[in-house]
Amino acid sequence: AQTVTQSQPEMSVQEAETVTLSCTYDTSESNYYLFWYKQPPSRQMILVIRQEAYKQQNATENRFSVNFQKAAKSFSLKISDSQLGDTAMYFCAFLPPGGGADGLTFGKGTHLIIQP
Amino acid sequence: DAGVTQSPTHLIKTRGQQVTLRCSPISGHKSVSWYQQVLGQGPQFIFQYYEKEERGRGNFPDRFSARQFPNYSSELNVNALLLGDSALYLCASSFRTSTDTQYFGPGTRLTVL
Repeated sequence: AQTVTQSQPEMSVQEAETVTLSCTYDTSESNYYLFWYKQPPSRQMILVIRQEAYKQQNATENRFSVNFQKAAKSFSLKISDSQLGDTAMYFCAFLPPGGGADGLTFGKGTHLIIQP
Repeated sequence: DAGVTQSPTHLIKTRGQQVTLRCSPISGHKSVSWYQQVLGQGPQFIFQYYEKEERGRGNFPDRFSARQFPNYSSELNVNALLLGDSALYLCASSFRTSTDTQYFGPGTRLTVL
């Protein structure tokens, strides 16, 4: 079974700063998929970014980018020029190649607070 | 296009009762997954359905069941409710199953008294 660990329960940064959220995972699979989801107080889980393990290039989406280190089983999220609207719980999630049989495995989340 | 929709938004039940939660996927998506999110934790996988068949099941008791309809909407049923079933229940849809990104609905908050 896969495990996902987010070691930072809470982080707080000033608006416009850059922040990095950590995620490590454990798996014996070689092909898999990693995600960062954002859950604001409204509760809706929103996809931030997706990374395929077979791709060496790190995924980017506007201000959001990842540092994917496959050998170290590390998948960190960097948010540049942070905004007040980035305040939310951030969850790292793992999807095995089989997908459906196991579903997504989530970490416990990091509560990110952007201070004005 | 409309996203994933769930109903009801909130629900209060008492121990021993039964509950049905509903989910409509994004148009064109054929797979629906259900997750339970206890306060302060990440979501836990309950079920995945694709083309009306169960394709995956998490570590949940048989009190939890689900089904998917021909229009790809889905219901999650929980029997003999326990206090520990109080949680946010999230539905996610994806185009297929294996490697497609899952998009989540707003969730149903279930409180068991």
